[in-house]
Amino acid sequence: GQNIDQPTEMTATEGAIVQINCTYQTSGFNGLFWYQQHAGEAPTFLSYNVLDGLEEKGRFSSFLSRSKGYSYLLLKELQMKDSASYLCAVTPTGSARQLTFGSGTQLTVLP
Amino acid sequence: DAGITQSPRHKVTETGTPVTLRCHQTENHRYMYWYRQDPGHGLRLIHYSYGVKDTDKGEVSDGYSVSRSKTEDFLLTLESATSSQTSVYFCAISESGTGSDYNEQFFGPGTRLTVL
Repeated sequence: GQNIDQPTEMTATEGAIVQINCTYQTSGFNGLFWYQQHAGEAPTFLSYNVLDGLEEKGRFSSFLSRSKGYSYLLLKELQMKDSASYLCAVTPTGSARQLTFGSGTQLTVLP
Repeated sequence: DAGITQSPRHKVTETGTPVTLRCHQTENHRYMYWYRQDPGHGLRLIHYSYGVKDTDKGEVSDGYSVSRSKTEDFLLTLESATSSQTSVYFCAISESGTGSDYNEQFFGPGTRLTVL
């Protein structure tokens, strides 16, 4: 089975840096995704990690440690529009392209 | 944006009635998925399809059936709706990456279903 844990809520200040953690336990592992979802909207793709290390994409970076079953999403220079839910999802091996999602972390950016 | 539409976008129905939700894509992607999203549970996979007439169950398939008679359309049916099926339903599509299991999924706008 799969188990994915993320904090339920986080709050940060505009201009700051925030790190959203995700831990997972799966029967097999191929890769980890981060999605962003604004209230009332569809999830949109942010990043994908398959190898250990840091992937940087503008203000957003994502880190993966396969041995520790751990990932984080780092958001820099926070903006009000970054207020959203951030979803961690894993692709287990032999999954026929399925994704298993965590419950999401609701980030609120305050002025 | 990936060309994915869902219909209807909102629906209110009564317990015991059948309901069909439609997902339509213009990307010619092979894989299509139906999820439901509920507070505290995140996105949970209901059913998915890996080709025309090829479907399989996901984590929460009880009470749901699907059909895919054309590449572009994936239908989700609630044979007899119950209040526990009140949820937001998302369709997603993906095409496998070359030589890997890379599986970025693109999501439709969602359907808000209320079962009274």
